[in-house]
Amino acid sequence: EAGVAQSPRYKIIEKRQSVAFWCNPISGHATLYWYQQILGQGPKLLIQFQNNGVVDDSQLPKDRFSAERLKGVDSTLKIQPAKLEDSAVYLCASSSPGLAGGHETQYFGPGTRLLVL
Amino acid sequence: AQSVTQLGSHVSVSEGALVLLRCNYSSSVPPYLFWYVQYPNQGLQLLLKYTSAATLVKGINGFEAEFKKSETSFHLTKPSAHMSDAAEYFCAVTLTDSWGKLQFGAGTQVVVTP
Repeated sequence: EAGVAQSPRYKIIEKRQSVAFWCNPISGHATLYWYQQILGQGPKLLIQFQNNGVVDDSQLPKDRFSAERLKGVDSTLKIQPAKLEDSAVYLCASSSPGLAGGHETQYFGPGTRLLVL
Repeated sequence: AQSVTQLGSHVSVSEGALVLLRCNYSSSVPPYLFWYVQYPNQGLQLLLKYTSAATLVKGINGFEAEFKKSETSFHLTKPSAHMSDAAEYFCAVTLTDSWGKLQFGAGTQVVVTP
């Protein structure tokens, strides 16, 4: 079974530029998550999709971050314009909800490491 | 709101020695608890999870954790450390009605010395 795919793996940009990350979840997984992991910290949830609808985006900085999952499969996370403090690893995860009652295992991709100069 | 606290950002253990990583949670309702491991330049991998079925949970790679409600703890242990256990470990919590939203601790970096 193929895992969660993310691209690119690394990205270096200058502040005020824009950047986009792509995620393809495990086939059949209806729930998709984007996390931000700053060096030395645990991952922080940015946005959660159920199919192509947003379940939770309470911690997404909406003035500069946006995300979409148009067909309920792959997803794109965009930052525009980027700030120095956006330097982090952006992790995508997916899960198959319903049967486990809220404790479904989330499967993580390898992440995209972003450096903003 | 729920949260987790991991005691010790870095732990050094000798190969063959006991690995003990501490995690305490804060939750107003019974939580679900998880331990994930992250190897360098990789995503997170689930080690084990507590879902109220049994308080002692066994996971992959010889790890286990015990849920203690009275101590609000979910410490991770492995009897004998291996060099391949060097990684960062994260404790996480979620609630039954939170759509699986995970709240992670800050992580504990484990170094294994020969």
